Amino acid sequence: DIVMTQSPDSLAVSLGERATINCKSSQSVLYSPNNKNYLSWYQQKPGQPPKLLIYWASTRESGVPDRFSGSGSGTDFTLTISSLQAEDVAVYYCQQYYLTQITFGQGTRLEIK
Amino acid sequence: QVQLQESGPGLVKPSETLSLTCIVTGDSISSTNYYWAWIRQAPGKGLDWIGSINYSGTTYYNPSLQSRVTISVDMSKKQFSLRLSSVTAADTAIYYCARSTGAFDNWGQGTLVTVSS
Repeated sequence: DIVMTQSPDSLAVSLGERATINCKSSQSVLYSPNNKNYLSWYQQKPGQPPKLLIYWASTRESGVPDRFSGSGSGTDFTLTISSLQAEDVAVYYCQQYYLTQITFGQGTRLEIK
Repeated sequence: QVQLQESGPGLVKPSETLSLTCIVTGDSISSTNYYWAWIRQAPGKGLDWIGSINYSGTTYYNPSLQSRVTISVDMSKKQFSLRLSSVTAADTAIYYCARSTGAFDNWGQGTLVTVSS
């Protein structure tokens, strides 16, 4: 299995400031033949299912605000919220789909400072 | 717009089998582009992938659950199903069904299943 480790476990950021969440995989999720990283990011608000934000490590899902961006390659990835809004309070998860045995990170709780 | 809806008992006794169904509307469950998946979330915990199935019945399961899990698809009814045997309190969770292209781009609202006598 590929173990996904997020950091930090929780994060408090002021409104309008940048929020950065990291995700590290125990092995590379970059598939060299197509140069794609099999990594996605989700946002989960209380009482709701997760919502896909980013796939292929950096491709924003349709309808997701452009303040959300994903970066990284291989084993190290980052989700950045460029200017935190009140509605961004949530738990964020990364997920690898490089292997058929899919795994998620443990989640990062994002709050307003 | 695809929609997924889970259904099944909200309470299951220990040692019995949990059975859930996910009805898919607005999309073809027989599409070759997708897998259809079950994911669960224990109260206050993170996301745990259970397994996935495609139109031809090819399945992949979480190794930690593989001995107890069966996922099946019924294309005529536009639904796929989860069976988890020999449940314990540790299987208490919200169970989600989702559409997968690798990433999970559409989710059901989830259904809480409690294992208790």
